[in-house]
Amino acid sequence: QTVVTQEPSFSVSPGGTVTLTCGLSSGSVSSNYKPSWYQQTPGQAPRTLIYSTSVRSSGVPDRFSGSILGNKAALTITGAQADDESDYYCALYMGSGISMFGGGTKVTVL
Amino acid sequence: EVQLLESGGGLIQPGGSLRLSCAASGFIFSSHGMSWVRQAPGKGLEWVSTGGVSGGTYYADSVKGRFTISRDNSKNTVDLEMKSLRVEDTALYFCARRGLTDSGAQAYYFDQWGQGTLVTVSP
Repeated sequence: QTVVTQEPSFSVSPGGTVTLTCGLSSGSVSSNYKPSWYQQTPGQAPRTLIYSTSVRSSGVPDRFSGSILGNKAALTITGAQADDESDYYCALYMGSGISMFGGGTKVTVL
Repeated sequence: EVQLLESGGGLIQPGGSLRLSCAASGFIFSSHGMSWVRQAPGKGLEWVSTGGVSGGTYYADSVKGRFTISRDNSKNTVDLEMKSLRVEDTALYFCARRGLTDSGAQAYYFDQWGQGTLVTVSP
């Protein structure tokens, strides 16, 4: 059973940079998996940040960027702000109509 | 403005059935795949099912054989019929729209989300 992996938590200073990753328990993530990233604050629906590895969704600030780093997808927040404190989820398209989410990364800005 | 409004959640006993519905507006419904994503209390997101534009249906292994997704393009609705419910199906169920590429083809991400409807499975 393949699992999508994410770091459980990260802490970043205001104005700092943090890179979250999204991997597979077996194998490498490539752009073929169409990585996407979502931000969720408590009690709210998810917000789409990035799709197709690196395309920012409409209205998303350019301090959010997506890429492939080594064998994982990555979300980088450059110049973190207080309201970036959220849970971040990646999703991968596994083929045959199947999608999978990672377990999420809780980002604290302090 | 795109809107996705879920309904149908509630408290149900294990083994019971429930039907969720998502009413969509503000976009050409027939052009988008539509999905259900759930989130158990205090847990992460879990993709549940997608109803494709060409009628294809797809399910997570955890719900295959118990849940059925259906869409009505004339009413702009997508439903999730849930049977043989288990305690572990307890979650907030989000309706989510599949995005499109710049050329209008189906893309494999979720670009719009509803606020969710809560399903609680408990004795």
